[in-house]
Amino acid sequence: QVQLVESGGGVVQPGRSLRLSCRVSGFTLNNYGIHWVRQAPGKGLEWVAMITSDGSGKFYADSVKGRFTISRDNSENTLYLEMNSLRSEDRAVYYCARDSGYRYRWGFSDYWGRGTLVTVSS
Amino acid sequence: EIVMTQSPATLSVSPGEGATLSCRASQSVAGNLAWYQQKPGQAPRLLIHGASTRATGIPARFSGSGSGTEFTLTISRLQSEDFAVYYCQQYNDWPPITFGQGTRLEIK
Repeated sequence: QVQLVESGGGVVQPGRSLRLSCRVSGFTLNNYGIHWVRQAPGKGLEWVAMITSDGSGKFYADSVKGRFTISRDNSENTLYLEMNSLRSEDRAVYYCARDSGYRYRWGFSDYWGRGTLVTVSS
Repeated sequence: EIVMTQSPATLSVSPGEGATLSCRASQSVAGNLAWYQQKPGQAPRLLIHGASTRATGIPARFSGSGSGTEFTLTISRLQSEDFAVYYCQQYNDWPPITFGQGTRLEIK
C-alpha cells in the first residue's frame, strides 16, 4: 500500500539548519509530485513546498522561499526538505504528501505521511 | 494569493444529525477545491476533490458542492468517528496552495 514516512525532525537552535526526509513506498515515486505541508501546534495547515514528478519544477511558499530547498532522489524513493536559517515560527509538524496527479501536478494530496516535529528553540 | 475562509470555526452537532460546513474563496477557484478531515494526532485525510468528488473509500454520507467562490461540505447522519477538524483547500491558482483555517466539528 502507499506509504510516506517522514524523518529528521528534532530540536534545533534559531538560525541553524535541518534536513527532513520523506521515504515513500507502494508507488513509483517518479510518477508523482510531492508536497510538504506544515502545521504549527494547535494551528491549521500551511503549504510549504512542492516538487514535480520529474524534479524540474519546485515551488515554495513565500514564508520559506530562499531558506528551504526541496529535492528528490527517485532512485532512493526519498524526498528531502533542506531547511536553513530556521526561525521560531518554523516550529511545526511537517507532513509530506503525494500530489494526486499521475505525472501531472494537480495540487491536492491523496496520501499523507504521519509527520515529523520540528522545534526551533534556543 | 487566494484566501480561503471557513465557517463556522466550531460546529456542535449531535450524533445522527447532519452538519453543513462552509468555505469561501477570495476569488474564483472554479471547481478546484478539496476537503480534508483531520483527527487529533493524525495526518489529514482527503475526503473530496473537484468540489464534489469523493475520494477513494470515503462514505457516501460525505458530500461536497459549490463552485467559484462558495463551497459546502455536508455530512449526513453523523457518526462518532466524524467528529474532527475539517479543512478546505484550493488548488486552482498556485503556488501558493492555500487552506482554510479549519472548522472543528464537535459532539453536542
